[in-house]
Amino acid sequence: AQTVTQSQPEMSVQEAETVTLSCTYDTSESDYYLFWYKQPPSRQMILVIRQEAYKQQNATENRFSVNFQKAAKSFSLKISDSQLGDAAMYFCAYRSVLLIQGAQKLVFGQGTRLTINP
Amino acid sequence: NAGVTQTPKFRVLKTGQSMTLLCAQDMNHEYMYWYRQDPGMGLRLIHYSVGEGTTAKGEVPDGYNVSRLKKQNFLLGLESAAPSQTSVYFCASSYVGISGNTIYFGEGSWLTVV
Repeated sequence: AQTVTQSQPEMSVQEAETVTLSCTYDTSESDYYLFWYKQPPSRQMILVIRQEAYKQQNATENRFSVNFQKAAKSFSLKISDSQLGDAAMYFCAYRSVLLIQGAQKLVFGQGTRLTINP
Repeated sequence: NAGVTQTPKFRVLKTGQSMTLLCAQDMNHEYMYWYRQDPGMGLRLIHYSVGEGTTAKGEVPDGYNVSRLKKQNFLLGLESAAPSQTSVYFCASSYVGISGNTIYFGEGSWLTVV
């Protein structure tokens, strides 16, 4: 079974600076998807960025980018020019390409709470 | 476009009571999911459905039942609520296709069992 580990329960960063959130995962599959979700105090799960494992190029979405190291099974999220609105819980998630028992199920890490200091 | 809607948003139950959480999606998605989120943990899959009339167990199914009578709705039932079921519940949906690799979440339902 796949597992996702986020080893940083909490992180903080000064506004306008850059912060990197870590995520590692374990899988025997060669093709899969990886995601970062943001969960603000409202608790809604918001997709931040996704990465297809077959793509070597790291995904980027505006101020958010990932460092995907497939061999090391590492998938970190970099937030540049941090803003107060970035404060949230961030979850790393894994999903197999295969239809496991007929569904594409997400496996989540424990989450990292990010605080932005003004 | 409402996306994924959960009702109710908040509920307090007494131990032993029953209740149903309703999830509705308007994106014509085949797949629907129920997750629970507990402090210090990521979301864990309770049950899921790959289509109307079909359901399957996820990672933590005990104490819950589900039904998918209509494609757009996925119901999560607690027959006899226990304090251990105090959690935030998330419904999600997705479809399978070339770009079907995104799962859409509802806003969550807070359930407290006293």
